[in-house]
Amino acid sequence: AQKITQTQPGMFVQEKEAVTLDCTYDTSDQSYGLFWYKQPSSGEMIFLIYQGSYDEQNATEGRYSLNFQKARKSANLVISASQLGDSAMYFCAMREYTGTYKYIFGTGTRLKVLA
Amino acid sequence: DARVTQTPRHKVTEMGQEVTMRCQPILGHNTVFWYRQTMMQGLELLAYFRNRAPLDDSGMPKDRFSAEMPDATLATLKIQPSEPRDSAVYFCASGLDSNYGYTFGSGTRLTVV
Repeated sequence: AQKITQTQPGMFVQEKEAVTLDCTYDTSDQSYGLFWYKQPSSGEMIFLIYQGSYDEQNATEGRYSLNFQKARKSANLVISASQLGDSAMYFCAMREYTGTYKYIFGTGTRLKVLA
Repeated sequence: DARVTQTPRHKVTEMGQEVTMRCQPILGHNTVFWYRQTMMQGLELLAYFRNRAPLDDSGMPKDRFSAEMPDATLATLKIQPSEPRDSAVYFCASGLDSNYGYTFGSGTRLTVV
């Protein structure tokens, strides 16, 4: 079974609009972490935001926020006021502890921001 | 800004040749990962080190791949012999198992012909 599921292979959003990228996860651990990374066409992986499983508040970092719904096991990334430079692949990842840390990535969502 | 440095950036080699990829993690980071990225499989964890000790290499084909950290400033990933199916981008990442994510290198794009 997939541990991290990103069901949207591609998304379009108009510049200045907000967009939500979906991520659901599967774990039986109580303590885990959820991350989002951005991969522009240049190929590097850029860390965006982190949410801990015990965090009661949704994480925010500038225009990025994480809509964490623990009961639904979802950790959606919300990008507000989209910019052309936001066009990239976005990966959701989970860190869980199973004797050692495991760090698992989803398949990614390609976001295209339209002018 | 501190960076994870990977060399080489690109490598084209013939099937059967040995390939060595190098990674210099960020000074002070105690955790190093090797990932492989392909269109078909996405990002696959190959190996994971903490404090230079290998903790998990279950994702790595053992017969041809090996990963080591000879010292805290160098991690290596070797493929011997290389095969066309090994063609991928190989990323190294380092971090502190903290809430701040991991810093990735720019990757090594390997093409085996």
